[in-house]
Amino acid sequence: GEDVEQSLFLSVREGDSSVINCTYTDSSSTYLYWYKQEPGAGLQLLTYIFSNMDMKQDQRLTVLLNKKDKHLSLRIADTQTGDSAIYFCAESQAGKLIFGQGTTLQVKP
Amino acid sequence: EAGVTQFPSHSVIEKGQTVTLRCDPISGHDNLYWYRRVMGKEIKFLLHFVKESKQDESGMPNNRFLAERTGGTYSTLKVQPAELEDSGVYFCASSHEGQGVRGYTFGSGTRLTVV
Repeated sequence: GEDVEQSLFLSVREGDSSVINCTYTDSSSTYLYWYKQEPGAGLQLLTYIFSNMDMKQDQRLTVLLNKKDKHLSLRIADTQTGDSAIYFCAESQAGKLIFGQGTTLQVKP
Repeated sequence: EAGVTQFPSHSVIEKGQTVTLRCDPISGHDNLYWYRRVMGKEIKFLLHFVKESKQDESGMPNNRFLAERTGGTYSTLKVQPAELEDSGVYFCASSHEGQGVRGYTFGSGTRLTVV
């Protein structure tokens, strides 16, 4: 199947860490992606991880990949109000993206 | 470098009417993709152009949707006649030949509301 599943909503306080989780189905995906959509804006590629890695860190972002369980997570350290957005995980299949439903991250001051 | 431009940004039409969405990719990008997000659900692939040719249109929901990319530059997506379930946000993306998904640049999307 092509399902990519995410929880729909996460609320955190400013300064806390946020963890957004995702499960995917296609074990042959070479790369897995996290996109961010701010209100009124397009989809911005935040980060991606190659499938033979289990972790990737990029400043405040940490991506963890558990290939055995087909589980991907995005951790945002020191979450700021500017991080409020919808976060989509995605896998690539035959040159196209298969997205999850998106997780709305609400950051309270 | 100008980004991917989509217009209109919003469109509200009545059921049964026709709407045409336009996407201007980044200049020189041979790959052009259409995706859409029906409210609250996942973003789904619609189709992929390489220059003016349809490479993959497996995601087009039905024959009320017609996509064109004459001359291999901008693309249009026409919905005729529009139905209520067509409401959602339509995204366009483009990339250079050979770049694949990591080279995608998305536009801001067109929010279509069918009433």
